[in-house]
Amino acid sequence: DTGVSQNPRHKITKRGQNVTFRCDPISEHNRLYWYRQTLGQGPEFLTYFQNEAQLEKSRLLSDRFSAERPKGSFSTLEIQRTEQGDSAMYLCASSFPSGVQTYNEQFFGPGTRLTVL
Amino acid sequence: QKEVEQNSGPLSVPEGAIASLNCTYSDRGSQSFFWYRQYSGKSPELIMFIYSNGDKEDGRFTAQLNKASQYVSLLIRDSQPSDSATYLCAGGWVGGFKTIFGAGTRLFVKA
Repeated sequence: DTGVSQNPRHKITKRGQNVTFRCDPISEHNRLYWYRQTLGQGPEFLTYFQNEAQLEKSRLLSDRFSAERPKGSFSTLEIQRTEQGDSAMYLCASSFPSGVQTYNEQFFGPGTRLTVL
Repeated sequence: QKEVEQNSGPLSVPEGAIASLNCTYSDRGSQSFFWYRQYSGKSPELIMFIYSNGDKEDGRFTAQLNKASQYVSLLIRDSQPSDSATYLCAGGWVGGFKTIFGAGTRLFVKA
């Protein structure tokens, strides 16, 4: 399977615990995105990497959230001191290498569903 | 603030009919638009993208873009019950990276 993969698929945690999610993008894609989606809403942008560089982080993202992509391949998203409001589907997407004319079609992984009790 | 607006629905059509899904956007700088299909509990799946005014057809799907009216639509011909899903409209910028998603329109195709 050469699509975007995410692990774990489901995570249940208690409030105050730290959680970490992993995303493996499509191998030739150098752009990687993290989104959060809650019921009835579209995906909300969290952060973006081009290769290993984190080029933008949403202003909506608190300091409890951090993401890395150390070798420009897989990425991790960590949430510290989880709160009940963090419960959501966390989606990772990747897109084609940038060029003169790219329209940034993003391909999503299956997501990690986080439940904070 | 860049926004993409969609009617949340639900939109209900009989099997075999044409389903018409609409989307408006606020930023005239938006240059590329995407339609994603999302089944309940699953992640979004890219159906089509469009960046030029007019129509773009792919099988049973036609995307339409009117930049003057800041309006994007998706037509699904010969709708099937398996088309029942939430359809997300998203806008982006050529050469840029950020994509803004609408909240989605739920479509039900009745057998």
